[in-house]
Amino acid sequence: AQSVTQLGSHVSVSEGALVLLRCNYSSSVPPYLFWYVQYPNQGLQLLLKYTSAATLVKGINGFEAEFKKSETSFHLTKPSAHMSDAAEYFCAVSLGPGNLIFGKGTKLSVKP
Amino acid sequence: DAGVIQSPRHEVTEMGQEVTLRCKPISGHDYLFWYRQTMMRGLELLIYFNNNVPIDDSGMPEDRFSAKMPNASFSTLKIQPSEPRDSAVYFCASSLWGIGNTEAFFGQGTRLTVV
Repeated sequence: AQSVTQLGSHVSVSEGALVLLRCNYSSSVPPYLFWYVQYPNQGLQLLLKYTSAATLVKGINGFEAEFKKSETSFHLTKPSAHMSDAAEYFCAVSLGPGNLIFGKGTKLSVKP
Repeated sequence: DAGVIQSPRHEVTEMGQEVTLRCKPISGHDYLFWYRQTMMRGLELLIYFNNNVPIDDSGMPEDRFSAKMPNASFSTLKIQPSEPRDSAVYFCASSLWGIGNTEAFFGQGTRLTVV
């Protein structure tokens, strides 16, 4: 069975600083990987996805993630944080339809 | 498309009452999922349907929970009787699985409070 571990339930950065949210997965076969963002009182919105094409995936709002098979990681980054990036971010892994497993989430705070 | 539509957005009910949550998936999607989100347990998959047929309900916590999908455009999640520990945000999501299509699209959620 696959699983997802997000390191750090809370991350705080200053506006303009690098954002790095960590995600490690466990899967016996190459998975599909996703990052979702959840703003307060909202549903989850897809940021980006990895589906075995390019290992560096670009998403919306300037975010990107790199799939590293050797490290079983799929960390999310953004070069320069904006106040509007404050939200909760979820990493998820899937082996097929109906098989989407989420991490516990990382709440990102952005300080002015 | 308007996206996945859930109703109501908020529900407050008394313990022991029946609660019905509703979901309209994105037109053309063949998978529908019900998730529950709590602080303690995060996002949990309760049940999912493929072409209106329940495929895996192993995440449904108890017999008090039931879900139906009578047609491709409507699903319900029912809790009867409700208990305070059922308080959570319930999300419906849908997807169209295929080459290049692997993500689920989420509704805004229903925040359930059982008092």
